Amino acid sequence: GNSVTQMEGPVTLSEEAFLTINCTYTATGYPSLFWYVQYPGEGLQLLLKATKADDKGSNKGFEATYRKETTSFHLEKGSVQVSDSAVYFCALFYNQGGKLIFGQGTELSVKP
Amino acid sequence: NAGVTQTPKFRVLKTGQSMTLLCAQDMNHEYMYWYRQDPGMGLRLIHYSVGEGTTAKGEVPDGYNVSRLKKQNFLLGLESAAPSQTSVYFCASSYHLGQYNEQFFGPGTRLTVL
Repeated sequence: GNSVTQMEGPVTLSEEAFLTINCTYTATGYPSLFWYVQYPGEGLQLLLKATKADDKGSNKGFEATYRKETTSFHLEKGSVQVSDSAVYFCALFYNQGGKLIFGQGTELSVKP
Repeated sequence: NAGVTQTPKFRVLKTGQSMTLLCAQDMNHEYMYWYRQDPGMGLRLIHYSVGEGTTAKGEVPDGYNVSRLKKQNFLLGLESAAPSQTSVYFCASSYHLGQYNEQFFGPGTRLTVL
């Protein structure tokens, strides 16, 4: 079936460090891929998305590239800030099911 | 626009009690969803609706019922609460189900069942 696997957290980084959060997926067909972010005490917000292979989604300094050959959608940021501390969810959407499938989430903590 | 709002924000129930969670959206979205979030398990879809008057089961529907009598509202009911339903509940809505689908989430309801 369709599923999303993220690297386990929590991830703790110092400010200005490089961030990678791994995400791999299993899906039939050609899903769209998303990263959502959940700041403390809030609901999820869309961070970025990619709808086809080799697309790169980007927003707020974060990037992720849809890699069909490795079934991955890793999230990266060159220099994290304390304000990036949040839980990050990778998700896929496949048209046949019409639903979003989420990974388990990765908690990021950035220290000054 | 308020976006997606949820009522209440917190609730504590005793086993066997019932309650209704209310979700409202002011974006004229056709699709609405209820998820639960548990540690280490991401978000799991409970029920969803593709339009006023319609509902469908998601991944974990047992113990929950829903209704969508008005386009802007989506209610989640627990008829007889159990400790296993202790969770954070999120409502979401979206304009359509296509590949460009973006779901907009409410702030969540933290429910504890004793």
